[in-house]
Amino acid sequence: ETGVTQSPTHLIKTRGQQVTLRCSSQSGHNTVSWYQQALGQGPQFIFQYYREEENGRGNFPPRFSGLQFPNYSSELNVNALELDDSALYLCASRPKLAGGFPDTQYFGPGTRLTVL
Amino acid sequence: AQKVTQAQTEISVVEKEDVTLDCVYETRDTTYYLFWYKQPPSGELVFLIRRNSFDEQNEISGRYSWNFQKSTSSFNFTITASQVVDSAVYFCALSEDRGSTLGRLYFGRGTQLTVWP
Repeated sequence: ETGVTQSPTHLIKTRGQQVTLRCSSQSGHNTVSWYQQALGQGPQFIFQYYREEENGRGNFPPRFSGLQFPNYSSELNVNALELDDSALYLCASRPKLAGGFPDTQYFGPGTRLTVL
Repeated sequence: AQKVTQAQTEISVVEKEDVTLDCVYETRDTTYYLFWYKQPPSGELVFLIRRNSFDEQNEISGRYSWNFQKSTSSFNFTITASQVVDSAVYFCALSEDRGSTLGRLYFGRGTQLTVWP
């Protein structure tokens, strides 16, 4: 048990729609990252939030956006869904320790998104 | 550039065999962190180990052991006396100590391990 939960577990959308995925982190974990894992691939970094602000982004277009809330929950929003967005979306949280020394990230169970 | 290579796509062994999963990484940073995660069919990534670049001691945890060799940029993972419950996809990952994406993980493509009874 990592203490990181995600909802929903599965989701089916059609091309062009918008989707919101949710993540709830452990208390005290003020850094959250989102990853996309296509079938048969390793997870790819989408972006990272620290204290409710985006502070790092991978090679994903602006239609991927996020929010982080003071209660350690966060959202990943994807607009104008494309077929290639079908993947497992993983949320990971960790505490950001003094001095910025990165601690281990703990992952949630993921949301499997299918775009038809 | 940062890169993690797991050359073994799939490995099959019979229960009680030992198995080693290979991981080779590339980074220009002198300080970095290496991880292994296990992903069972349920999908959740389970943290197994973290290694700091300045600590080259090998580690053993039960049936699991890790061999970190900076000279060859490798961080291999061995399971001794494998069990059916070890069947999963195993990911090696790298994190660098820099910039705004401090802590960002770069993953390899994973190795699917199947342990047969």
